[in-house]
Amino acid sequence: GAVVSQHPSRVICKSGTSVKIECRSLDFQATTMFWYRQFPKQSLMLMATSNEGSKATYEQGVEKDKFLINHASLTLSTLTVTSAHPEDSSFYICSAPTGTSDYNEQFFGPGTRLTVL
Amino acid sequence: GQSLEQPSEVTAVEGAIVQINCTYQTSGFYGLSWYQQHDGGAPTFLSYNALDGLEETGRFSSFLSRSDSYGYLLLQELQMKDSASYFCAVRDDYKLSFGAGTTVTVRA
Repeated sequence: GAVVSQHPSRVICKSGTSVKIECRSLDFQATTMFWYRQFPKQSLMLMATSNEGSKATYEQGVEKDKFLINHASLTLSTLTVTSAHPEDSSFYICSAPTGTSDYNEQFFGPGTRLTVL
Repeated sequence: GQSLEQPSEVTAVEGAIVQINCTYQTSGFYGLSWYQQHDGGAPTFLSYNALDGLEETGRFSSFLSRSDSYGYLLLQELQMKDSASYFCAVRDDYKLSFGAGTTVTVRA
């Protein structure tokens, strides 16, 4: 199957700082990537859709100025959590469909666990 | 919007069969899929149905009835490694909306 990587896998930062998370498709090109957040023992909540070469589409209730998304190439999307606060602590996961797969089949990165102190 | 309901927990013994039901409400429908997630790991795709009927993939099968807005995931010959969370997800246009997840615990 297709491989999606994320970096870093784990990050701890102080309140008020910004954190950048990278999502890469390693063996396919992804014009679209998705960013989710997941709280412990809960479901995956879609935050935004990242589109290569254009602006991201944010879900209702997600602050686009706080969660900056950049999809600068066909293999890389980044999520920057700006001015992070403890309530932003969560598991952030990206996913992408491959060009040949139905959007029902998504390939997920290993996730980034963010802890804001 | 979309809403999905699935049981929160299921416990079974090794070798048993488990069925995880999922009912959904959605404005648009392009398929019902299933994902497995081990604790602390990434979700991995298991199966999906866009049309009514049963899809079989090894020990796992998935079923869909669009008229009933209902589907299920069947796990057969349960193994310890199947202990994980299982999410149903409905696709509306290009986005997936996930259910709350069912934690399956397999006992020896």
